Amino acid sequence: LAKTTQPISMDSYEGQEVNITCSHNNIATNDYITWYQQFPSQGPRFIIQGYKTKVTNEVASLFIPADRKSSTLSLPRVSLSDTAVYYCLVGSYQTGANNLFFGTGTRLTVIP
Amino acid sequence: NAGVTQTPKFQVLKTGQSMTLQCAQDMNHNSMYWYRQDPGMGLRLIYYSASEGTTDKGEVPNGYNVSRLNKREFSLRLESAAPSQTSVYFCASSEVLGAPVAKNIQYFGAGTRLSVL
Repeated sequence: LAKTTQPISMDSYEGQEVNITCSHNNIATNDYITWYQQFPSQGPRFIIQGYKTKVTNEVASLFIPADRKSSTLSLPRVSLSDTAVYYCLVGSYQTGANNLFFGTGTRLTVIP
Repeated sequence: NAGVTQTPKFQVLKTGQSMTLQCAQDMNHNSMYWYRQDPGMGLRLIYYSASEGTTDKGEVPNGYNVSRLNKREFSLRLESAAPSQTSVYFCASSEVLGAPVAKNIQYFGAGTRLSVL
């Protein structure tokens, strides 16, 4: 059962790079690492997903070390609109949906 | 381009009343989910349906029932609402991609805000 641990909150100034680290010591071989973003009064939205090494898309990068026991979401040059809660999940279709735990996430506040 | 649609958006119930939350997706996904989110908390899985015709319990299934009506629709029923079920309910759907390790990316609806008095 790969539960995750994230910082409860982080503050950052506009224009800075933000790195949010997630620990998942019990990650299984078949598990992917997925990050979601949630704005107030909205459902979570998929940001990025990876299995190992580094993944980059138009909004973020995901760094995964070789042992896969942690991962880091990197948001380049954040703006006020990036203020949200960020959730790290580990799991896969093989391990089942009932093994996907959102946890409390990391509340990122971007300061002008 | 609706994605996942939930109805109603808001609902107030009295203790003991029943209601059904509706969810429909137009992305032809096989898997659908129901979560609840309490204030300041993360999402907790109530029930999920890996494919049409199957449902399974999640982390917090007590007090709820579900029906996977067809591939598009997955409903959540509260038979006798309790104040502890006051929450925001999210429905999600996903498709499984890749082999042998399958990705699972979920797409969420806007939520139903339920208050039980």
